[in-house]
Amino acid sequence: QQQVKQSPQSLIVQKGGISIINCAYENTAFDYFPWYQQFPGKGPALLIAIRPDVSEKKEGRFTISFNKSAKQFSLHIMDSQPGDSATYFCAASGRGSTLGRLYFGRGTQLTVWP
Amino acid sequence: DAGVIQSPRHEVTEMGQEVTLRCKPISGHNSLFWYRQTMMRGLELLIYFNNNVPIDDSGMPEDRFSAKMPNASFSTLKIQPSEPRDSAVYFCASSSRDRGSHEQYFGPGTRLTVT
Repeated sequence: QQQVKQSPQSLIVQKGGISIINCAYENTAFDYFPWYQQFPGKGPALLIAIRPDVSEKKEGRFTISFNKSAKQFSLHIMDSQPGDSATYFCAASGRGSTLGRLYFGRGTQLTVWP
Repeated sequence: DAGVIQSPRHEVTEMGQEVTLRCKPISGHNSLFWYRQTMMRGLELLIYFNNNVPIDDSGMPEDRFSAKMPNASFSTLKIQPSEPRDSAVYFCASSSRDRGSHEQYFGPGTRLTVT
């Protein structure tokens, strides 16, 4: 059972456009929601993360929007650049016995055309 | 800081052979995770350790897979015997729960090809 559902599977955006990737979860015990970025031949790396006490977090061109009641969160990449072309994973983690385990979405392959 | 170190980076082996993947976590991190990544199944958690103790191995595909963490600075993932369907990229990641962070730091991965 997929704990975190991610869409779309792939996304093509023109340079300068906005990239939007969406994720949904069911487990209300989740309290940490990171996004990871993976370039070909590399391991995933943390891009940005949010906790449910805020509805939005922005770091440069990257923004996470969080909707606690809908149990959804999304990544927005403003002014998308060819260098943003990568695979993006959303994830979620909870307290207690999970001991830092991350539940990952299936990933979105983003291609930004110059 | 050297980051998470994995070896080998590439492994090509024949079906039926034993394969051992190695991981050195970031010094001071007390949680270690093994993942497998394929196009079909995405990023799957195989097993994770906390303070060298296996916490959850429910993601290990079958008895052919085993993992050990004999000390805080070394872990192995072994496949015996290997099969073509084990071909994938295997990642090791580490994190530090003591600092209250959930961030996982991934190694560069081992690309395994079983012919």
